Amino acid sequence: NAGVTQTPKFQVLKTGQSMTLQCAQDMNHEYMSWYRQDPGMGLRLIHYSVGAGITDQGEVPNGYNVSRSTTEDFPLRLLSAAPSQTSVYFCASSYRSTSGGPGTQYFGPGTRLTVL
Amino acid sequence: SQELEQSPQSLIVQEGKNLTINCTSSKTLYGLYWYKQKYGEGLIFLMMLQKGGEEKSHEKITAKLDEKKQQSSLHITASQPSHAGIYLCGADMIKETSGSRLTFGEGTQLTVNP
Repeated sequence: NAGVTQTPKFQVLKTGQSMTLQCAQDMNHEYMSWYRQDPGMGLRLIHYSVGAGITDQGEVPNGYNVSRSTTEDFPLRLLSAAPSQTSVYFCASSYRSTSGGPGTQYFGPGTRLTVL
Repeated sequence: SQELEQSPQSLIVQEGKNLTINCTSSKTLYGLYWYKQKYGEGLIFLMMLQKGGEEKSHEKITAKLDEKKQQSSLHITASQPSHAGIYLCGADMIKETSGSRLTFGEGTQLTVNP
């Protein structure tokens, strides 16, 4: 299994440009999430999905859109990039354990985004 | 997130010394995850704790969740330079979301001097 993959690894955008960060997992996990990591702020949840066709907002959703048309893919869209969106973005996936409790969340390698 | 506080923020130890990192919440933790991150890289899963009083060990790292499920500690015995990195605790604070909505502490930067 490749686990959780993210592309691209690095990206530089100009203010106002749009782009999509790709995330895919091959573990058949129900749950997928996007986080951003900033110095002094830790990891913060942007959006998450509990299954294909179902998404919801996290702690910092403004400026980002997501969709989940398949179990495997969970792309994150920046509609009009702003310098405040300069960050490292992590995608993660997890399963529901057989006991119904939380399953381990697996993280991708991250995308380092700079918005000029 | 202030919902989950990690301490200390940074730690410098001599190789061979023991150390402890703490993760504290005012709310019940339904799942507590410990991750390690090397600078510029992704998160590596270390351990997950679910039950009050639970303790897990892997090699020289031991993690515990207190009985009230509001505090966890990560203990490293006989530290080595390979233990250096950022340690993050993440918690599932909503029972129904089963690991999809983790709240993270700010991390502890660990340096191990040879």
